[in-house]
Amino acid sequence: QSVVTQPPSASGTPGQWVTISCSGSSSNIGSNYVYWYQQLPGTAPKLLIYRNNQRPSGVPARFSGSRSGTSASLAISGLRSEDEGDYFCASGDASLSGPVFGGGTKLTVL
Amino acid sequence: EGQLVESGGGLVKPGGSLRLSCAASVFTFSNAWMTWVRQAPGKGLEWVGRIKTDTYGGTTDYAAPVKGRFTISRDDSKNTLYLQMDSLKTEDTAVYYCTTEGYYHDSPWAFDIWGQGTMVTVSS
Repeated sequence: QSVVTQPPSASGTPGQWVTISCSGSSSNIGSNYVYWYQQLPGTAPKLLIYRNNQRPSGVPARFSGSRSGTSASLAISGLRSEDEGDYFCASGDASLSGPVFGGGTKLTVL
Repeated sequence: EGQLVESGGGLVKPGGSLRLSCAASVFTFSNAWMTWVRQAPGKGLEWVGRIKTDTYGGTTDYAAPVKGRFTISRDDSKNTLYLQMDSLKTEDTAVYYCTTEGYYHDSPWAFDIWGQGTMVTVSS
């Protein structure tokens, strides 16, 4: 059981806007940056969002991140079939020597 | 963009040892903080540990479940990262990924280059 929680699943139809939540506490999300990783089927994870809301070069503007208090969200607009996969949030934690990952959310494009 | 290639995974009995390697190319390895992240079958991501650059003393940090059993090291002359795993347990079964930390994106925990992963199975 991770200290940072995500819904196990999310879904949407092509073109739709979907959000994935990430809930933590004052020792992690509340006081550290949030990161989002995308893992498409059979591939390694990929950095999608860093420092709460920054997109690496090459990541489409359809993906956006936000943080408020001890929670964070990943929003995907204009959902596409190739977005189907697992999404993980991560954050530092004051009680740990490293980051903590959320359990992951499986995104299905219907 | 940089590339990482892991090797050394396989089947090992509980209590056994295994050493993973991660070969880096296309970027300046000696300037990169390096991290191991693992993923048990069908499960989420778990941070294993990291090693900083020589500039930062080459110090290491480990997750509680592996501290005292796993050792991360690096050989900058060979552009290679290592993970020595001793006293292996069945719960260490996972795909092990090596990653850079904050190399292209100046931020802790920004794992921005990933290898393809290598599978470690601990079973009798």
